[in-house]
Amino acid sequence: DSGVTQTPKHLITATGQRVTLRCSPRSGDLSVYWYQQSLDQGLQFLIQYYNGEERAKGNILERFSAQQFPDLHSELNLSSLELGDSALYFCASSVGQVAGYTFGSGTRLTVV
Amino acid sequence: DAKTTQPNSMESNEEEPVHLPCNHSTISGTDYIHWYRQLPSQGPEYVIHGLTSNVNNRMASLAIAEDRKSSTLILHRATLRDAAVYYCIPASAGGTSYGKLTFGQGTILTVHP
Repeated sequence: DSGVTQTPKHLITATGQRVTLRCSPRSGDLSVYWYQQSLDQGLQFLIQYYNGEERAKGNILERFSAQQFPDLHSELNLSSLELGDSALYFCASSVGQVAGYTFGSGTRLTVV
Repeated sequence: DAKTTQPNSMESNEEEPVHLPCNHSTISGTDYIHWYRQLPSQGPEYVIHGLTSNVNNRMASLAIAEDRKSSTLILHRATLRDAAVYYCIPASAGGTSYGKLTFGQGTILTVHP
């Protein structure tokens, strides 16, 4: 157990639907990062939050959004899902910038 | 983001040392060099990071060239559990990047019994 908890572990949904992925960071970590990993794209950075504020944005689609709550857990919302959104979604946390990241075990999203 | 070049794949025998090279010739002066690995069906795992000096921890050693344009991750005695994809990642210490890690293709390490 890395200390970063992601739920659910698996998710199967239909095109056009909306899902929410949840991440609880390691205790004491203020930064949360979201990554998408698909077979053809590798690990892609989506977005970072630090203590509730958005700090950096990567290749995140407009259909995707995220937030970090006062208790520091984070949610990634994916809407109007397409087949191409099928991927592993990882959350990572760290104490601050440049410190070692701790990754969760991921949520495997399958869009059918 | 600094560009990195790593071998697509490397092979090693169990209990032998492994040297995984990485070129990062466009690295900025404030970028740390991070190494992560990803075992099959798992999230990436932090291995080691450093700025200028060589670094050691219980998992590995990191040798950084004096001009910082390359680095080498050293696994002193490879085990079967070390078979993974290894990523070398220069990471900004601040600015808009604010520590985000940009993963490349990495090196697939195969360890033979």
